Amino acid sequence: GEDVEQSLFLSVREGDSSVINCTYTDSSSTYLYWYKQEPGAGLQLLTYIFSNMDMKQDQRLTVLLNKKDKHLSLRIADTQTGDSAIYFCAGRTGGGNKLTFGTGTQLKVEL
Amino acid sequence: DTGVSQNPRHKITKRGQNVTFRCDPISEHNRLYWYRQTLGQGPEFLTYFQNEAQLEKSRLLSDRFSAERPKGSFSTLEIQRTEQGDSAMYLCATGGGREKLFFGSGTQLSVL
Repeated sequence: GEDVEQSLFLSVREGDSSVINCTYTDSSSTYLYWYKQEPGAGLQLLTYIFSNMDMKQDQRLTVLLNKKDKHLSLRIADTQTGDSAIYFCAGRTGGGNKLTFGTGTQLKVEL
Repeated sequence: DTGVSQNPRHKITKRGQNVTFRCDPISEHNRLYWYRQTLGQGPEFLTYFQNEAQLEKSRLLSDRFSAERPKGSFSTLEIQRTEQGDSAMYLCATGGGREKLFFGSGTQLSVL
């Protein structure tokens, strides 16, 4: 099955860019997702990318996909304190449409 | 608010008791998923419905767990004879189109 790995923690200053990285193992992943989770809450879908794309931009968010290295990244421009949360990368494979999640990256935004 | 509603938000129970959680999906969504999330981990897939049919179950879903989705609308997840290891956040997610999956706020279960 799919394995998805992320670094555990990232700290940035307000106004800087944040880059959160993710690697996955299943090359047949059709869609790759980024979700945001705030304390005690469910997961908020931020953005997703189809596997035949290299890049997707959505306002402050840029997703880069390197299929050869099975590497996905999420760049948040002009990071704000409200961006502090846990960010999960997830891959979707197969006909079952289920998602396999990484362990999450805790983003801390400092003033 | 994603439009996926889960109840209750919190449940505290004693070991050995049965608990049931409910998920109300976005009305036009035919796919419904249950996930479990423990502290410091990402969500883990439990089971998946397409309309009322339960199409896939994870090996994480022991015999004490049962899920239903009568008439392809709301879904329930029941845990019988709860154990302390069942303490987790139980998340419901629904999808209509091919790409997007929307999560509810979850039910936090604490087994004492």
